[in-house]
Amino acid sequence: DQQVKQNSPSLSVQEGRISILNCDYTNSMFDYFLWYKKYPAEGPTFLISISSIKDKNEDGRFTVFLNKSAKHLSLHIVPSQPGDSAVYFCAARVAGGATNKLIFGTGTLLAVQP
Amino acid sequence: KAGVTQTPRYLIKTRGQQVTLSCSPISGHRSVSWYQQTPGQGLQFLFEYFSETQRNKGNFPGRFSGRQFSNSRSEMNVSTLELGDSALYLCASSLVARGLGYEQYFGPGTRLTVT
Repeated sequence: DQQVKQNSPSLSVQEGRISILNCDYTNSMFDYFLWYKKYPAEGPTFLISISSIKDKNEDGRFTVFLNKSAKHLSLHIVPSQPGDSAVYFCAARVAGGATNKLIFGTGTLLAVQP
Repeated sequence: KAGVTQTPRYLIKTRGQQVTLSCSPISGHRSVSWYQQTPGQGLQFLFEYFSETQRNKGNFPGRFSGRQFSNSRSEMNVSTLELGDSALYLCASSLVARGLGYEQYFGPGTRLTVT
């Protein structure tokens, strides 16, 4: 049962344009969402996060939007740069308890064309 | 501040053997989590340790185990290796302090190949 889904395995965008990566979830008990970027042969790098009590969080070129009613999360990258080409994972944390367990989506490969 | 380190980076083992992977978290981080990444899959949660105690475990067989030491360093062990255990094993550490979010910071991973 995939609780966090990234339905687009890949996305291609022109340099300077906006990249929009999407993520859907099924568990209403998630209270925190995160985006990670991963290059080959490296561990994931934390990008940006959002609490379930917010609907938007911005950090430089990266903005995450959360639509709780639709159980949908998106990451906007503006403007996209060739160095943004990587696999992007969304992740979610189940509320409550002391656990720090994150549930990850399967990733979207972003290719930014020069 | 140094990041999360994992050793070894690459490992080749044969079926039936056992393996131990090591992780040193960011200084001051007391929570260490382990994940498995296989081709086409996202990251699958293995287990989390905090203050030397396992406080959550994923859906993996008992062949997968771990522990954490008093200095927060962690090891994971896989016994009786199977071909399907070939994967990238990632360790992540986090501060776990109220109000600071739940960001986890990953190491570079250990690439395990089982032949």
